[in-house]
Amino acid sequence: QKEVEQDPGPLSVPEGAIVSLNCTYSNSAFQYFMWYRQYSRKGPELLMYTYSSGNKEDGRFTAQVDKSSKYISLFIRDSQPSDSATYLCAPNTGNQFYFGTGTSLTVIP
Amino acid sequence: EPEVTQTPSHQVTQMGQEVILRCVPISNHLYFYWYRQILGQKVEFLVSFYNNEISEKSEIFDDQFSVERPDGSNFTLKIRSTKLEDSAMYFCASSVTIQPGLGTDTQYFGPGTRLTVL
Repeated sequence: QKEVEQDPGPLSVPEGAIVSLNCTYSNSAFQYFMWYRQYSRKGPELLMYTYSSGNKEDGRFTAQVDKSSKYISLFIRDSQPSDSATYLCAPNTGNQFYFGTGTSLTVIP
Repeated sequence: EPEVTQTPSHQVTQMGQEVILRCVPISNHLYFYWYRQILGQKVEFLVSFYNNEISEKSEIFDDQFSVERPDGSNFTLKIRSTKLEDSAMYFCASSVTIQPGLGTDTQYFGPGTRLTVL
């Protein structure tokens, strides 16, 4: 069983749409749940992270973790063309990160 | 804003040759990591490094690979005898700590080195 499963997409939405990106994981020891954004030919950059279960909001972005179902979500409100990138979930215990395959998102103006 | 830098941005080598990929982590960071991403695939952990020794390594990090912090600023990944399947983007990352709950375990990634093995 893979540590992290993520739908690779691609996902294409019109500007202003609400986007939902999701991951599932198998390791119940994961405590930190990171979301990274990766633009083409660039390294991943940290978008936001949550600790344990619950929600965290940062501007247009909301991260949700449901540890009981091992389900991670990232919501993007009022999506912008500049949000077009690959989004990687990365649950971890601290030292070693396990990345999902990433979901490719295109926001169409 | 401090950032992780990597050189070169693109390295082309012949199969069987040795390559050294270089990284300069953020200056006050203590933990260093290498990841790779084969084209179209997910980012994979290779190794973590702290206090001049390897903390953890994955199955990918076999005897062909080694890491070193030769001075106070550089962190290198050496592949002794490259294979075709080593072609990938290699990312370096660094973090202040790995202590949970402090937020300082966040890993910051460099822009990557694209390695092409012919």
